Amino acid sequence: EAQVTQNPRYLITVTGKKLTVTCSQNMNHEYMSWYRQDPGLGLRQIYYSMNVEVTDKGDVPEGYKVSRKEKRNFPLILESPSPNQTSLYFCASKGGSTTNSPLHFGNGTRLTVT
Amino acid sequence: QKEVEQNSGPLSVPEGAIASLNCTYSDRVSQSFFWYRQYSGKSPELIMSIYSNGDKEDGRFTAQLNKASQYVSLLIRDSQPSDSATYLCAVNIVGSYKYIFGTGTRLKVLA
Repeated sequence: EAQVTQNPRYLITVTGKKLTVTCSQNMNHEYMSWYRQDPGLGLRQIYYSMNVEVTDKGDVPEGYKVSRKEKRNFPLILESPSPNQTSLYFCASKGGSTTNSPLHFGNGTRLTVT
Repeated sequence: QKEVEQNSGPLSVPEGAIASLNCTYSDRVSQSFFWYRQYSGKSPELIMSIYSNGDKEDGRFTAQLNKASQYVSLLIRDSQPSDSATYLCAVNIVGSYKYIFGTGTRLKVLA
């Protein structure tokens, strides 16, 4: 089944403790991206990657890191999480050779930082 | 001005009625438009994409795009309680990989 898989689905951590949220897709998509979703603010892009080893900042990159060492994986790293990073996170990917094909989302990771 | 605007709702319609959801955008070079449905706590699910002016129909859903007026709408015919969700409008900027989302309209279909 074609899908984007995120892990973990739920994560509770404390301020300053490094964490990684994994994202993997099995659709051979070049493009992958991370979003956070907060009430009243909608989906905001954190980082995106157009292909392996090429990443760029989205609208809210502060406090986050990413890496794209292979096509299928795009982990999101929080080096020193803070309570304002408590949010619902989605990984997304898209295929096609043009920029305008739709995004396919993972199931989400609900992160709580205390 | 927000780049993509949607009325947050809730929009309440009786079962069997037509639900009309609207979205306006500010960037004139926006190229592609998408409607996603999102149930509470779940991931966005693509319903429709539309790229050119006019209407596009898929089952009970019709997307309408008017680039001159910078709006895109989604009509849901014969609304069902299972359609109750938040509907997100997304816009892709021409020549870029940037997708901008509205904050969504919450739809409630009353049985």
